[in-house]
Amino acid sequence: DIVLTQSPVLAVSLGQRATISCRASQSVSISSINLMHWYQQKPGQQPKLLIYRASNLASGIPARFSGSGSGTDFTLTIDPVQADDIAAYYCQQSRESPNTFGAGTKLELK
Amino acid sequence: EVQLVESGGGLVQPGRSLKLSCAASGFTFSNYYMAWVRQAPTKGLEWVAYISTGGGSTYYRDSVKGRFTISRDNAKSTLYLQMDSLRSEDTATYYCTTGSAPFDYWGQGVMVTVSS
Repeated sequence: DIVLTQSPVLAVSLGQRATISCRASQSVSISSINLMHWYQQKPGQQPKLLIYRASNLASGIPARFSGSGSGTDFTLTIDPVQADDIAAYYCQQSRESPNTFGAGTKLELK
Repeated sequence: EVQLVESGGGLVQPGRSLKLSCAASGFTFSNYYMAWVRQAPTKGLEWVAYISTGGGSTYYRDSVKGRFTISRDNAKSTLYLQMDSLRSEDTATYYCTTGSAPFDYWGQGVMVTVSS
């Protein structure tokens, strides 16, 4: 299985930029298609799709969220961070079955 | 508005069975692959199974193969997960989702606790 590694916690100040990383144990790209997706999960709620195929904003997601990366290294950026963004963020790959999730990064306030 | 409402969870003894349902609305259910994803308490997300639009193709993670069965009734816009031979490690919140990855929409989840 492809293992996705995320830092457990990221502390950020309101109004600053947050950069959340996800590293895959092998490439999750096919040609120019990057099969990495990002989700947000607030406490007690279900996950919500933020970014699909590395850099495409899901429907209804604010433009302060963006994604980048290719191959094995991917980044979710939130700029600027708002209070409503305090949550856990998970990356997911769909390059190989089974699709796998990272363990999540908790975004906390400094 | 897309809505996915899970039901059927609860407390069950190891080795017993449970069937989850997910009632879908707000979109054309029969046009979408559907999936179940679970999350053990205080843990991360884990894909469990997904099913093709017509139900003819199903896929499972190794740890549930032979024990869980995903199915759908397109006439009722409902997704199911039959869980047999349950184990303590199956304890989790189970989410119904659209798609086969990425998972576009998620239900609120239903808790399944396997314990004697």
